[in-house]
Amino acid sequence: DAGVIQSPRHEVTEMGQEVTLRCKPISGHDYLFWYRQTMMRGLELLIYFNNNVPIDDSGMPEDRFSAKMPNASFSTLKIQPSEPRDSAVYFCASTVGFNEQFFGPGTRLTVL
Amino acid sequence: QKEVEQNSGPLSVPEGAIASLNCTYSDRVSQSFFWYRQYSGKSPELIMSIYSNGDKEDGRFTAQLNKASQYVSLLIRDSQPSDSATYLCAVGLAGRDDKIIFGKGTRLHILP
Repeated sequence: DAGVIQSPRHEVTEMGQEVTLRCKPISGHDYLFWYRQTMMRGLELLIYFNNNVPIDDSGMPEDRFSAKMPNASFSTLKIQPSEPRDSAVYFCASTVGFNEQFFGPGTRLTVL
Repeated sequence: QKEVEQNSGPLSVPEGAIASLNCTYSDRVSQSFFWYRQYSGKSPELIMSIYSNGDKEDGRFTAQLNKASQYVSLLIRDSQPSDSATYLCAVGLAGRDDKIIFGKGTRLHILP
């Protein structure tokens, strides 16, 4: 069975541009999480969904960030407009019943 | 503020010795506890989960939980160079305020 799939794996963009990160969770998992990881701040939870419904978005840094989950097999995290301080590795993870999480390979975002 | 604290390290341990990683948490309603291993440039992967007080063993890994003292630890016996990685402690809060909080991780270096 395939694990969590994320795309793109690397993204380099210029400040002010829109960035969209994509995630396909493991089939049958009912929770999906978006994280951001930097050396300074570690792994930060941005938002999570349960059965496609956003439950807690208190970690979303500001209105420039938005996330959607239109169906059980797909989620997006969008940053508009992007800023250099958004540079980080963004992970998507999924789980069943809020237990052990399975992480995707991550998207390394660089905003110039 | 709910927090999970880990010593950032690096923790250097000779090959074949026991590596001991510690984690403390602030919220007494924490119900689930996880240890993730993260190699440089890779995503976190679950190595242990523990839900009740005491020890849980899995191969060379032992997780120890003490809810009264609010700490969880991970012991790695017969440390191998391949154990060199960052170890993330995660604490799950269940109930009305479901949340999983990660510590910033401890870097472990096994000396050959």
